[in-house]
Amino acid sequence: SYVLTQPPSVSEAPGKTARITCGGNNIGTKSVHWYQQKPGQAPVLVIYYDSDRPSGIPERFSGSNSGNTATLTISRVEAGDEADYYCQVWDTSSDHHVVFGGGTKLTVL
Amino acid sequence: QVQLVESGGGVVQPGRSLRLSCAASGFTFSSSTMHWVRQAPGKGLEWVAVILFDGSNKYYPDSVKGRFTISRDNSKNTLYLQVNSLRPEDTAVYYCARSPIEADVFYFDYWGQGTLVTVSS
Repeated sequence: SYVLTQPPSVSEAPGKTARITCGGNNIGTKSVHWYQQKPGQAPVLVIYYDSDRPSGIPERFSGSNSGNTATLTISRVEAGDEADYYCQVWDTSSDHHVVFGGGTKLTVL
Repeated sequence: QVQLVESGGGVVQPGRSLRLSCAASGFTFSSSTMHWVRQAPGKGLEWVAVILFDGSNKYYPDSVKGRFTISRDNSKNTLYLQVNSLRPEDTAVYYCARSPIEADVFYFDYWGQGTLVTVSS
């Protein structure tokens, strides 16, 4: 089955740029989606199809995907961005399974 | 606005069964692919089932195949998850989530607030 690998934690100071990676075999050939989850809340979609932003998501959130790594970039990090972030793909090679990465805790210093 | 409201969670003994429900509103439920995703306490997200808009196809990960059954009643705008032979490791918050109608891949644009299932004797 397909595996997505995320770093358990990333830390960044306010105003700086945070990058959260999601590794997978030839992930660049798949569409990657990203979710933000704050404590006690349901996940929220922040990036879909690698780099598209849903309405209401700040332009500070962007995404890219190439080779074996997809990246969620958060520019001008704010305290309110502190959350868990999950990447996700649809693996059509394994009976239409949805796969999530293990999640990355973003800490704003 | 889109709303997904889960219910049916609770404390259940190992080996017992439970049926979770998700009431949908604010969109054309009968045209939407729907999913269940769970999250064990302090852990990450795990997808557990999908059902296409008309119920024609359903898919599950190996971890729940044979024990969980997803279904829907489009006349009631309601999604269900029948969970049988429950194990302590099934303890989690269970979310229902929607895939956008226009999407050609599975992802989730709306989520419910979740219902907690605790499997314990």
